[in-house]
Amino acid sequence: QSALTQPASVSGSPGQSITISCTGTSSDVGSYNLVSWYQQHPGKAPKLMIYEATKRPSGISNRFSGSKSGNVASLTISGLQAEDEADYYCSSYASSTTYVFGTGTKVTVL
Amino acid sequence: EVQLLESGGDLVQPGGSLRLSCAASGFSFGSHAMSWVRQAPGKGLEWVSGIGGSGDSTHYADSVKGRFTISRDNSKNTLYVQINSLRAEDTAVYYCARDGGYLVDTGRLDSWGQGSLVTVSS
Repeated sequence: QSALTQPASVSGSPGQSITISCTGTSSDVGSYNLVSWYQQHPGKAPKLMIYEATKRPSGISNRFSGSKSGNVASLTISGLQAEDEADYYCSSYASSTTYVFGTGTKVTVL
Repeated sequence: EVQLLESGGDLVQPGGSLRLSCAASGFSFGSHAMSWVRQAPGKGLEWVSGIGGSGDSTHYADSVKGRFTISRDNSKNTLYVQINSLRAEDTAVYYCARDGGYLVDTGRLDSWGQGSLVTVSS
């Protein structure tokens, strides 16, 4: 099972919106709405930001939103803030291989 | 408050073995599937293994199948992974994570430990 494909880096200025894509296949992202997004700051554990493609866990800012179309899932961060600078990973349920993560995207706030 | 605390990470020689533990608290441990996720230095996340809430169902990434064994003791609220035939490429921080449901099929890992470092080197 290959990792889901994400852009290596995305950047934006404070207050702007950015979108991170996550491209899978018909065996994972395309077959299930079980896509999650995680934020990871340097030296810290990952934190769940989005699950089931569009849902936010309790306590997660509504500046974070998710969507999915076909084999591509996306994470949008609106009103970009300095604290959003981190690595972001998507993941998907993939049946036989259970879970697969994306390659990761480094978000830089300019 | 959900807490997950990994332990057992160490410097191990190639070909050696190691058992990692993850002590859970703050939730009904047996009601949740659990997973191990690793991260090699400077690299991305890799899901390694998962186990259902009862311990009856186990799942492994192809990269570790046959060398890793996941297990749990619900009476001790503890998750384990036994790692055999260690290779240099197994060097990573190993995180335990709580699944959002009873089986390893929700796609969401909603709580994570702080990680335990395994270094494989001679």
